[in-house]
Amino acid sequence: ETGVTQSPTHLIKTRGQQVTLRCSSQSGHNTVSWYQQALGQGPQFIFQYYREEENGRGNFPPRFSGLQFPNYSSELNVNALELDDSALYLCASSRDEGGELFFGEGSRLTVL
Amino acid sequence: QQQVKQSPQSLIVQKGGISIINCAYENTAFDYFPWYQQFPGKGPALLIAIRPDVSEKKEGRFTISFNKSAKQFSLHIMDSQPGDSATYFCAASGTGGGNKLTFGTGTQLKVEL
Repeated sequence: ETGVTQSPTHLIKTRGQQVTLRCSSQSGHNTVSWYQQALGQGPQFIFQYYREEENGRGNFPPRFSGLQFPNYSSELNVNALELDDSALYLCASSRDEGGELFFGEGSRLTVL
Repeated sequence: QQQVKQSPQSLIVQKGGISIINCAYENTAFDYFPWYQQFPGKGPALLIAIRPDVSEKKEGRFTISFNKSAKQFSLHIMDSQPGDSATYFCAASGTGGGNKLTFGTGTQLKVEL
């Protein structure tokens, strides 16, 4: 059974650019959640996808968007990157919208 | 505002000692309180969790104490080991929130020999 995998592991972008981060959920999991973890801080909930529909959103602007695919993998898209978007982006999957979260190792985004 | 306040920010404990990390919350709708452990370069991993119908939960060396009236909960690590050196996060979610977690700011624990 493979765990949650994320790609890329590291990337550097410049302000104003767009980025797409990818996540493959753990086998048997149908729910994917995305969190942003700034350096030295706790993760902050961005949004959750359950059965390909957004199922809850944290306090993030619309330029943060996502998708979930029929195989339950997911993408996080961020448009018009700002310096403050520099962070570790964590994907977590769960068996359903209330189940235990299993986190991937994250994608570290640096915005210059 | 839904917040979870965590203290201390960092903690140094001698091997075999007890590590104690505290969290306080404001939202009375919170009904699920997990603790996560994160090693450098890794994602957080669930350590132990509690719901407010009990005041204490113990799993091995790890114990959560929960005080509903004070809106506080804490993690106790007994017989702390160097391998426990990591960052610990408390979190909370509410009714209807499922696993949409609000995290604390983290405690960096170092266990010295």
